[in-house]
Amino acid sequence: DTGVSQDPRHKITKRGQNVTFRCDPISEHNRLYWYRQTLGQGPEFLTYFQNEAQLEKSRLLSDRFSAERPKGSFSTLEIQRTEQGDSAMYLCASSLGGGRSYEQYFGPGTRLTVT
Amino acid sequence: AQTVTQSQPEMSVQEAETVTLSCTYDTSESNYYLFWYKQPPSRQMILVIRQEAYKQQNATENRFSVNFQKAAKSFSLKISDSQLGDTAMYFCALNSGGYQKVTFGTGTKLQVIP
Repeated sequence: DTGVSQDPRHKITKRGQNVTFRCDPISEHNRLYWYRQTLGQGPEFLTYFQNEAQLEKSRLLSDRFSAERPKGSFSTLEIQRTEQGDSAMYLCASSLGGGRSYEQYFGPGTRLTVT
Repeated sequence: AQTVTQSQPEMSVQEAETVTLSCTYDTSESNYYLFWYKQPPSRQMILVIRQEAYKQQNATENRFSVNFQKAAKSFSLKISDSQLGDTAMYFCALNSGGYQKVTFGTGTKLQVIP
């Protein structure tokens, strides 16, 4: 049973550096979501893909953030010129399409610390 | 817009006892889904139970059950026979028709005391 996987699990970076995270969804899931979770809060939606198309982006996703899902499989989330406010857990989730798209399965997250 | 409110930041329960976590929500959609997710310390989010708004019957999954009050927009989670492994953050979440994102509440930290 292969669930959603994310890499790396932890990332420490200095302010101003670029970072990239990877998410591998459950293989038959064509929808993929990115969320951000800060300490003591629930996850907040960032963006979502259906296959390779990025269909929705939150206002939280500033122009320093970019997400891709080439070939509709794994996805990457890049943050350029990191700021201390970017420190958070970045969660990836995936779901089936159509009538089952409401049920999202989450990965373990990537914890980013910007120093 | 959709909102989810959890008014209990922290709760505790004795092992083997029953505890109820509260959640209220708001959406203008008629078709939506409600969820409770569990997030153990330093571990990933796990779906505990889901409720489809058009179903009147309350969902049940083993020791976990919900009390879904559609008119009041209330969705509480009852955990029976609490176990130490139930210690976690619990998030109430909403997915409205037409929206692909899930909106989460701020969570309730549950501590099960031996």
